[in-house]
Amino acid sequence: GAVVSQHPSRVICKSGTSVKIECRSLDFQATTMFWYRQFPKQSLMLMATSNEGSKATYEQGVEKDKFLINHASLTLSTLTVTSAHPEDSSFYICSALGEPRRQETQYFGPGTRLLVL
Amino acid sequence: DQQVKQNSPSLSVQEGRISILNCDYTNSMFDYFLWYKKYPAEGPTFLISISSIKDKNEDGRFTVFLNKSAKHLSLHIVPSQPGDSAVYFCAASATGANNLFFGTGTRLTVIP
Repeated sequence: GAVVSQHPSRVICKSGTSVKIECRSLDFQATTMFWYRQFPKQSLMLMATSNEGSKATYEQGVEKDKFLINHASLTLSTLTVTSAHPEDSSFYICSALGEPRRQETQYFGPGTRLLVL
Repeated sequence: DQQVKQNSPSLSVQEGRISILNCDYTNSMFDYFLWYKKYPAEGPTFLISISSIKDKNEDGRFTVFLNKSAKHLSLHIVPSQPGDSAVYFCAASATGANNLFFGTGTRLTVIP
């Protein structure tokens, strides 16, 4: 099956610093990738949809200036949490849309756990 | 606002018996439903789906039932195997939308 990787798997940073999370589709090209966030005891919530070569589409309530998304190639999307604060501590997970473009072909990465001190 | 709910955070079942995982949703626009399985340190992987035009979809040991009037779906695993132990998420989407709305997950433990 299709493989999606994320790096790093876990990161601890100080408040005010920026953190970059990478999402790669390893064996397929993905024009569309998604970024989700999951707080403890809550469900995965879609943050933004990332399309290669164009601006990301953010869900309501997600600050686009705080969560910078870059999808510069067909196999890589990055999420940068700028000026991170403790309330940004969460589990961030990406997915990449394969072919055919259906919900079933949305392949998920293993996630990145962010802890902001 | 949680549009997809899995009210049982955990479930334990004896090997060989049936596992039934439940999911409720509130948005009547949802017309496609999926179940994902997640092992520790891995991302969710697609398991089975159902369109709102059906009330049942079966794939091997896994069957998903949809009751549209009750806005309820369930995943049946029979017979349950120890390798089925994982967290199961249900998700819903509406036609034309990229968004998947997830439940909070149910941790299934199959006891040998």
